[in-house]
Amino acid sequence: AQSVTQLGSHVSVSEGALVLLRCNYSSSVPPYLFWYVQYPNQGLQLLLKYTTGATLVKGINGFEAEFKKSETSFHLTKPSAHMSDAAEYFCAVKGTGRRALTFGSGTRLQVQP
Amino acid sequence: KAGVTQTPRYLIKTRGQQVTLSCSPISGHRSVSWYQQTPGQGLQFLFEYFSETQRNKGNFPGRFSGRQFSNSRSEMNVSTLELGDSALYLCASSLDSGNNEQFFGPGTRLTVL
Repeated sequence: AQSVTQLGSHVSVSEGALVLLRCNYSSSVPPYLFWYVQYPNQGLQLLLKYTTGATLVKGINGFEAEFKKSETSFHLTKPSAHMSDAAEYFCAVKGTGRRALTFGSGTRLQVQP
Repeated sequence: KAGVTQTPRYLIKTRGQQVTLSCSPISGHRSVSWYQQTPGQGLQFLFEYFSETQRNKGNFPGRFSGRQFSNSRSEMNVSTLELGDSALYLCASSLDSGNNEQFFGPGTRLTVL
């Protein structure tokens, strides 16, 4: 079984401030981990993914995430928020093999000017 | 390369009717997955098709069905619509069933009155 918990359904930051979106997972097998972003009335866009190898993963738009097995976490960060980052962010896990993505409940990021 | 396309983008139906949604994956992608997104339940996996065969199925009633054609295009059908079926239905494609990166379409917004 696999599950994802995203702490905080809403996060508000000031433009230029650090963005930190939290994601904890559980998986009975080595996980593949993903962060997706969804803008209003659009589908999901992949920000970054962890499969194997380096635990610090860099994605698009300046985002990065670190896989910490001991903490079962995959938090998403960005050093400096931009207004265009306002969107909903989803963390997802997939076990190795042919299994579907399991998504967290999402975190809505608001960026204040 | 064109992305995942879904038609129609918006749909309004009444209770008891049935509906068919269409998804065209990225050229060369053979796996298509369907997800339902609602404010209350979040993103939930419906089913996955690969080479015209259903490979995975989520926990949805039999009213939800799908199929995949030889050109990898997929359709999902919902019969005897209920108010609770109102949702954004997202299609995602990937190269193969074991590949871990899924590319999402813009979704079909279904409203059941």
